[in-house]
Amino acid sequence: AQSVSQHNHHVILSEAASLELGCNYSYGGTVNLFWYVQYPGQHLQLLLKYFSGDPLVKGIKGFEAEFIKSKFSFNLRKPSVQWSDTAEYFCAVRGSNTGKLIFGQGTTLQVKP
Amino acid sequence: DGGITQSPKYLFRKEGQNVTLSCEQNLNHDAMYWYRQDPGQGLRLIYYSQIVNDFQKGDIAEGYSVSREKKESFPLTVTSAQKNPTAFYLCASSIGGIDTGELFFGEGSRLTVL
Repeated sequence: AQSVSQHNHHVILSEAASLELGCNYSYGGTVNLFWYVQYPGQHLQLLLKYFSGDPLVKGIKGFEAEFIKSKFSFNLRKPSVQWSDTAEYFCAVRGSNTGKLIFGQGTTLQVKP
Repeated sequence: DGGITQSPKYLFRKEGQNVTLSCEQNLNHDAMYWYRQDPGQGLRLIYYSQIVNDFQKGDIAEGYSVSREKKESFPLTVTSAQKNPTAFYLCASSIGGIDTGELFFGEGSRLTVL
């Protein structure tokens, strides 16, 4: 069965600090990987996605993520966070033959100005 | 504008009552999904449908029912059998197919059982 684990539940950073949010998944086959973000009072929106090709993917607002197949990981990074990055971040995985998109528990990021 | 519309945004229900949450999309997407969001638990999949007149149970389908009679509509009924129905419910859609693209989400419906 598919599962997704996000290690950090609540992260507090100061502006300009670097960010890395961990995401590990469990699935034996080919996967599609996603990071979604939910800003306060807004609906979920896609940050970035990986389907195939270059394992380093770039998303909106300066975010990037690296797919490391051997580690079953898809960590999210940003070199310098801003106060406006305060939000909840969700990692999600879809096994290529399942059609089901499974989400992690979410990480709440609080950026202090 | 294309998108996903969920209604109502807020809903209160007495114990023992069924309630139906509406989800409509005008994106011409084949696949639609219902998730439940609880603090600290992320989003959990209730039901999903990859095509009209077909749907599959997700990870927490007990106490819920769905129908997919039209491509653009995927209503969710929270039945009295759902033991802990108070939650935030999210509907989503995607283009469809085995390797579908990203999911697009509605703004959610918050159900409170009194």
